[in-house]
Amino acid sequence: QAQLVESGGGVVQPGRSLRLSCAASGFTFSTYGMHWVRQAPGKGLEWVAVISDDGSSNYYADSVKGRFTISRDNSKNTLYLQMRSLRAEDTAVYYCAKDFWSGYSPDVLDIWGQGTMVTVSS
Amino acid sequence: QLVVTQSPSASASLGASVKLTCTLSSGHSAYAVAWHQQQPEKGPRFLMKVDIDGTYNKGDGIPDRFSGSISGTERYLTISSLQSEDEADYYCQSWGTGIVVFGGGTKLTVL
Repeated sequence: QAQLVESGGGVVQPGRSLRLSCAASGFTFSTYGMHWVRQAPGKGLEWVAVISDDGSSNYYADSVKGRFTISRDNSKNTLYLQMRSLRAEDTAVYYCAKDFWSGYSPDVLDIWGQGTMVTVSS
Repeated sequence: QLVVTQSPSASASLGASVKLTCTLSSGHSAYAVAWHQQQPEKGPRFLMKVDIDGTYNKGDGIPDRFSGSISGTERYLTISSLQSEDEADYYCQSWGTGIVVFGGGTKLTVL
């Protein structure tokens, strides 16, 4: 059974950095694109970034471009999100999600994790 | 620019049917969508993909009560025989080259 488990969330001061991880199991991780999606408290879903199956291609939402970096380690079945220069508006639950295809061109997000909370506050 | 629009709320009675609407921006009638359900205090769950020919493919374990359809730039999620556990937020997702877009979500109340 496919499963995604996020970790690494917490409280961080504005301007600091944080790295999230997402451990995948139950499917062949190296053959699918992967996404990060976030949800601010009481708000809807906001797509953050996607990475292709081999890590060679990625895309970002304008709101995080230049500050966040998506990466993956296929040998560890793990997806990462490095977040820098964090702002209060980055406060959200961060979900990782599996793409239906390779991720070179985004498609349906068909498996979701349970999320990890990031709070940016002084 | 791809924009996905959903009504903020909907309601229907237990045992009845409800049709949720997702509208794609002008010029995007050839785009497929996916529907996701988010129950209170839970992560999202993929329900189905609705293709541009109106066919839909559901995720594992999604009941037959859930179906999809299209008309022009509108994409629909229909839930029949509503149950209390269907009370949730429903998100429409579309995508293009290098971008994924979610609608604002529809909060469904089961009366």
